[in-house]
Amino acid sequence: AQKITQTQPGMFVQEKEAVTLDCTYDTSDQSYGLFWYKQPSSGEMIFLIYQGSYDEQNATEGRYSLNFQKARKSANLVISASQLGDSAMYFCAMRERFGNEKLTFGTGTRLTIIP
Amino acid sequence: GAVVSQHPSRVICKSGTSVKIECRSLDFQATTMFWYRQFPKQSLMLMATSNEGSKATYEQGVEKDKFLINHASLTLSTLTVTSAHPEDSSFYICSARDLLRPRLPRGTQYFGPGTRLLVL
Repeated sequence: AQKITQTQPGMFVQEKEAVTLDCTYDTSDQSYGLFWYKQPSSGEMIFLIYQGSYDEQNATEGRYSLNFQKARKSANLVISASQLGDSAMYFCAMRERFGNEKLTFGTGTRLTIIP
Repeated sequence: GAVVSQHPSRVICKSGTSVKIECRSLDFQATTMFWYRQFPKQSLMLMATSNEGSKATYEQGVEKDKFLINHASLTLSTLTVTSAHPEDSSFYICSARDLLRPRLPRGTQYFGPGTRLLVL
């Protein structure tokens, strides 16, 4: 069964608008962590933001915020005031408690910012 | 900080040859490194977890004799693709954890820039 689901293969957003990238997950653990990574066309994976399962507040890092809805098992990434440099692949990933610190990645969403 | 390098960035080789990819943590010690494989327009698939001074742990379906992993020091892990075939052509990415950064969320991995392998 797929543990991380990203249902949006591609999105086009006008520059300066906000965008929400969806991520749902499946786990039976009570303790887990959720990550978002950005992969530009150059290939490197850039860590953006983290949400722990016990964190009561949604994580924020600059223009990135995470809309964490634990009961729905969703961890959507919100990018405010999008910029052309935000065009990239975005991956949601999960670290489970007994996973030896492994990360399981979703299939990704390709975000394209339109000038 | 938390820079991970990979070498080479691109490699083209003939079928049947072996290719070694290096992954280095430049400004921190990495007791654990991970090796991923990514096909075009697909997600990252974990191949193996590399622990310094011990044998790597391979994911189900990954041939350990084909993908040799050595983690001889706290800053270097190598992946050797032995007797490479065209189906081994892919983007290989390594990552590392920095355990000495206490404010990092548990499980945060820093990734190298990746190596594109093309086997002819």
